[in-house]
Amino acid sequence: GAGVSQSPSNKVTEKGKDVELRCDPISGHTALYWYRQSLGQGLEFLIYFQGNSAPDKSGLPSDRFSAERTGGSVSTLTIQRTQQEDSAVYLCASSLASGRANTEAFFGQGTRLTVV
Amino acid sequence: GESVGLHLPTLSVQEGDNSIINCAYSNSASDYFIWYKQESGKGPQFIIDIRSNMDKRQGQRVTVLLNKTVKHLSLQIAATQPGDSAVYFCAEIPINDYKLSFGAGTTVTVRA
Repeated sequence: GAGVSQSPSNKVTEKGKDVELRCDPISGHTALYWYRQSLGQGLEFLIYFQGNSAPDKSGLPSDRFSAERTGGSVSTLTIQRTQQEDSAVYLCASSLASGRANTEAFFGQGTRLTVV
Repeated sequence: GESVGLHLPTLSVQEGDNSIINCAYSNSASDYFIWYKQESGKGPQFIIDIRSNMDKRQGQRVTVLLNKTVKHLSLQIAATQPGDSAVYFCAEIPINDYKLSFGAGTTVTVRA
């Protein structure tokens, strides 16, 4: 597609349920990022993928959070046993390259997760 | 740990005036800097970037200045328009790294 696509755009879930958030990066972009943004706050780094590998998972808040990327393209962020404090907008970004030849990262519209 | 931060959380600007948004960073290894604009309910939108081998870069109505000596980054918006009202974030990546780190953001409100 022309841009980063995230689905669903909104998700309301009951506390304790599992949720899956999907990110379709821009075609050909090898780097993919997940961020979390609470209301009125900045962007909190969660995880980064280079291809299918995630060299840094240190930003994941707890072991209830996991992410995978397949085929160097689509990524899924999974939150198990959701808690109310997980409520936030989850943003995905992709970039053509990273490291020595960093290029701008383009963001999707985000998934607004509400845990009730 | 080291982080990127912004001097002011809010900025009110008269329509037509120039805006200056400031950002201080602490990681001297930062090599690449980006300014993003985030409108309500949307994801951050790329505005302009600059690499550490440059001091200034200009785009359409925007200019980014980088002062590596004092580790300061600024975004200047010329002739601010109502559509410029948004939250602005600076972000940085250290050389040979991947982690795009964001500051807290500055909310810009344009007064008619």
